[in-house]
Amino acid sequence: NAGVMQNPRHLVRRRGQEARLRCSPMKGHSHVYWYRQLPEEGLKFMVYLQKENIIDESGMPKERFSAEFPKEGPSILRIQQVVRGDSAAYFCASSPSVSGANVLTFGAGSRLTVL
Amino acid sequence: AQSVTQLGSHVSVSEGALVLLRCNYSSSVPPYLFWYVQYPNQGLQLLLKYTSAATLVKGINGFEAEFKKSETSFHLTKPSAHMSDAAEYFCAVRETGANNLFFGTGTRLTVIP
Repeated sequence: NAGVMQNPRHLVRRRGQEARLRCSPMKGHSHVYWYRQLPEEGLKFMVYLQKENIIDESGMPKERFSAEFPKEGPSILRIQQVVRGDSAAYFCASSPSVSGANVLTFGAGSRLTVL
Repeated sequence: AQSVTQLGSHVSVSEGALVLLRCNYSSSVPPYLFWYVQYPNQGLQLLLKYTSAATLVKGINGFEAEFKKSETSFHLTKPSAHMSDAAEYFCAVRETGANNLFFGTGTRLTVIP
């Protein structure tokens, strides 16, 4: 039973390009969370999704960032027109149910570097 | 509003010595509390969690933490440090009904041979 799979593990983009980060939750998990970790900081919540629904996006920047979790396929975090400040590690976590934020399983993260 | 404070961004201990990593929280309601460990270039792994049962929580790898409501603390301890414990440790809080965890800024533990 594979854990939470994130790809790419490392992504380099130039300013103005788009970044797409993918997350496949654990088998049987239908809830996905995205967190961002800036250098020397803790993880900051971005968005919580269930299949085809955004439940809580209170941590998402208002512009350039979007997330989806389609009926089929992985969850995708999309960053348009990246800037240097977007350089960070982006972690995805999944849980089996609505009360499952107590049992989050994290992926290994995607590290974005913006040149 | 919830927040988490981890005192000491870096802690060094000798191998075999006591590990004590501090975490204080503020929350308007009794929260759920967590400790996660992150090894280099890896994701976070749950060490232990407090969910309003026993106040002394035992986790993996010999770690434990005690919930002290009067002190709003949830410090992480291990009696004897091992070299493999070197990592970054994060305390996190989740308020009842909240969708997400709120993390502290982390404490990097170094174990000296």
